[in-house]
Amino acid sequence: DQQVKQNSPSLSVQEGRISILNCDYTNSMFDYFLWYKKYPAEGPTFLISISSIKDKNEDGRFTVFLNKSAKHLSLHIVPSQPGDSAVYFCAASAGKLIFGQGTELSVKP
Amino acid sequence: NAGVTQTPKFRVLKTGQSMTLLCAQDMNHEYMYWYRQDPGMGLRLIHYSVGEGTTAKGEVPDGYNVSRLKKQNFLLGLESAAPSQTSVYFCASSYSAGHGSTEYFGPGTRLTVL
Repeated sequence: DQQVKQNSPSLSVQEGRISILNCDYTNSMFDYFLWYKKYPAEGPTFLISISSIKDKNEDGRFTVFLNKSAKHLSLHIVPSQPGDSAVYFCAASAGKLIFGQGTELSVKP
Repeated sequence: NAGVTQTPKFRVLKTGQSMTLLCAQDMNHEYMYWYRQDPGMGLRLIHYSVGEGTTAKGEVPDGYNVSRLKKQNFLLGLESAAPSQTSVYFCASSYSAGHGSTEYFGPGTRLTVL
């Protein structure tokens, strides 16, 4: 029973365009959501987070949107750069973190 | 600061062998975690610790044991390795848990069980 789902295993985007990564969750008790970025042969690194009392959080080129009624989270990267190519994990917390399966983003020059 | 470090980086075991993975953090974090990452499965929590001398089971604890004798170290043990334990193992630590907390990850240990 996957409480946090990333239904797109991969996404390919042209450099300079917007990347949108999606995440759905089932547990309404989650009150904090995070995105992690992972390069090959490295550990995940924290990217951006959002509290359940907000619907948007922005940090430079990265914006996370939260739609609680739909139990949906998305990460927007604008503009996308080749260095953004990585696996992105969303995670939700009601104490401990529950991770999605990850989406591999490829940004092509 | 080194952050979170893991030893070893790679290991190959035969079925039935035992080994211990070491995680160390220099951020004075109370909470430490062990995850495994498998293709299509994301990161799954094996065991965690909320402070020195404490451990608790996560989502997939079977076949693993842990110990937290010192605040900065969290050990993951495999007593009798099985091919199903072939995975990439990540250790993480955090200052607190829940709302507002961020976990910091080590570089991972790639384990193959033949």
